[in-house]
Amino acid sequence: NAGVTQTPKFQVLKTGQSMTLQCAQDMNHEYMSWYRQDPGMGLRLIHYSVGAGITDQGEVPNGYNVSRSTTEDFPLRLLSAAPSQTSVYFCASSYELDRREEQYFGPGTRLTVT
Amino acid sequence: DAKTTQPNSMESNEEEPVHLPCNHSTISGTDYIHWYRQLPSQGPEYVIHGLTSNVNNRMASLAIAEDRKSSTLILHRATLRDAAVYYCILRDGVNFNKFYFGSGTKLNVKP
Repeated sequence: NAGVTQTPKFQVLKTGQSMTLQCAQDMNHEYMSWYRQDPGMGLRLIHYSVGAGITDQGEVPNGYNVSRSTTEDFPLRLLSAAPSQTSVYFCASSYELDRREEQYFGPGTRLTVT
Repeated sequence: DAKTTQPNSMESNEEEPVHLPCNHSTISGTDYIHWYRQLPSQGPEYVIHGLTSNVNNRMASLAIAEDRKSSTLILHRATLRDAAVYYCILRDGVNFNKFYFGSGTKLNVKP
């Protein structure tokens, strides 16, 4: 299993540009989520999905959209990039949304918005 | 929202045990205690979790206080590869999606 994969690893955007961060998992996990991590801080939940066709907002959803058309993929879209969105983005998955479940994280995408 | 408090940093010598503390005084009866760690430039990695009883796995042990208001992650023999930020997280028993990572404890392991 490749686990959770994310592309690209690095990205530089200009203010106002849009882009999609890709996330895929091959473990047949129902639950997937996106986090951002700013320097010296923990992770903050952006959006999550409990299965194909179902998504919901996390702690910091503004400026981001998600969709879940398949179990495997959970892309994160930045609609109009802002410098405040400069961060490292992590995708995670688990078998189901349960407080006992271990979450598997991808390697991250480092995004810089100028 | 259940929150945790951890020291910002700790230091250990290689091959010695490390005890990483976490306070969670507002924990509710159904919250699970999870520990993750993040090595430099990598995504977080699951370490261990528990509810009331102490837990052991190949990576670490988790000791949970009887009142559940605190817990301790124990690395039995620290190696240089254990240098990371360790996060203590409460998994909400009602809103499972709320998986809050605080700022964690940065563990430095000296050779």
